[in-house]
Amino acid sequence: QVQLVQSGAEVKKPGASVNISCKTSGYTFNIYYMHWVRQAPGQGLEWMGMINPSGGSPTYAQMFQGRVTMTRDTSTNTVYMELSSLRSEDTAVYYCARPLNTLYSTASRDGMDVWGQGTTVIVSS
Amino acid sequence: EIVLTQSPGTLSLSPGERATLSCRASQSVSSSYLAWYQQKPGQAPRPLIYGASSRATGIPDRFSGSGSGTDFTLTISRLEPEDFAVYYCQHYGRAPEITFGPGTKVDIK
Repeated sequence: QVQLVQSGAEVKKPGASVNISCKTSGYTFNIYYMHWVRQAPGQGLEWMGMINPSGGSPTYAQMFQGRVTMTRDTSTNTVYMELSSLRSEDTAVYYCARPLNTLYSTASRDGMDVWGQGTTVIVSS
Repeated sequence: EIVLTQSPGTLSLSPGERATLSCRASQSVSSSYLAWYQQKPGQAPRPLIYGASSRATGIPDRFSGSGSGTDFTLTISRLEPEDFAVYYCQHYGRAPEITFGPGTKVDIK
């Protein structure tokens, strides 16, 4: 079955960077975008960006531009999200999420169908 | 940027009751791009509804979605104990137009 398995929890100091992995299995890796979503403690969901695993080109939410980098490794079917210049407000659970439809689909409805288990990142001095 | 507003913030109901959750967009959106998710504490979100009204795989038919334009509704016809959770609507537009509402918590009265 389709699975997204994320790397483990991280504790970082302000100003550092964090790199989270999302290893995929059970589907054809390069025909689905991958999204990253985060959730601060007690707060709602926030979309960070997405990557096209086929061509590798990412699209980032404006608030993360310049601080986030999304990459992929097609040899291991893994996507990565690096967030730099960490501050306390970046303390959150970070999720990868795969859409319902492939990047070639013309379906009229879509959304985030399969989610990773989440990775907790704590930023503290 | 499309901003989604959800109401009420908290809905206190008893098992067996009907829940009606609202999601309002700051501008008209295609119903194709409106999704709903359920989230329980310590868990990842679970997709419920795509395209405003189509249930995701495995979602029971007590969950239904409706609406168009700027106003959308998620209805749970009869609340089961496992339905008490937080519900988010999402505009799943062409990136970067992907946003979530702030959520509605459905708790036990």
